Amino acid sequence: EPEVTQTPSHQVTQMGQEVILRCVPISNHLYFYWYRQILGQKVEFLVSFYNNEISEKSEIFDDQFSVERPDGSNFTLKIRSTKLEDSAMYFCASTPGGEQFFGPGTRLTVL
Amino acid sequence: RKEVEQDPGPFNVPEGATVAFNCTYSNSASQSFFWYRQDCRKEPKLLMSVYSSGNEDGRFTAQLNRASQYISLLIRDSKLSDSATYLCVVGRTNAGKSTFGDGTTLTVKP
Repeated sequence: EPEVTQTPSHQVTQMGQEVILRCVPISNHLYFYWYRQILGQKVEFLVSFYNNEISEKSEIFDDQFSVERPDGSNFTLKIRSTKLEDSAMYFCASTPGGEQFFGPGTRLTVL
Repeated sequence: RKEVEQDPGPFNVPEGATVAFNCTYSNSASQSFFWYRQDCRKEPKLLMSVYSSGNEDGRFTAQLNRASQYISLLIRDSKLSDSATYLCVVGRTNAGKSTFGDGTTLTVKP
């Protein structure tokens, strides 16, 4: 069964550093998303992406964040200058339309 | 008011019990409704989509009441493996962002 994959599973970085989180959505899906979940809190929407552009973003997704689909398979989330409060689990999801399927997540720890 | 509001929980039930979770949503224009489950430190996994006609999958039954903006999930004959956090998820469109509730934690005990 096809699944969404994410790398790395855990990323530790220093405050102020740039990080790139990678995702490979399910191959025939057209819509892609990033969500985050701070430990002990709810899953929060960051951004949706369709047809090579952002279709919607939340207030969390400020200028420090960017997304890219650099080739036909990868979907990346870049955080330019990480803050302590960016520490969270980041989930990528994809859908052909309807139910979203989530990857296993990247745990980002900012020191 | 929260966009998606769930029973606060936690729910602690014995094996074999029937348990119901409730969820309300604030945006009457919402189009898509789901229940996901999330195990500790894992990704949300789709449990079932929710339709106005109601739908059932084995021991799980989901209902949607658009007039009351209310979604429910019923689990019959609870198993130990049902222990998880259950997430009510609502979308404005078929492929737009999904808004998650805070989740309701279920623990099924022997």
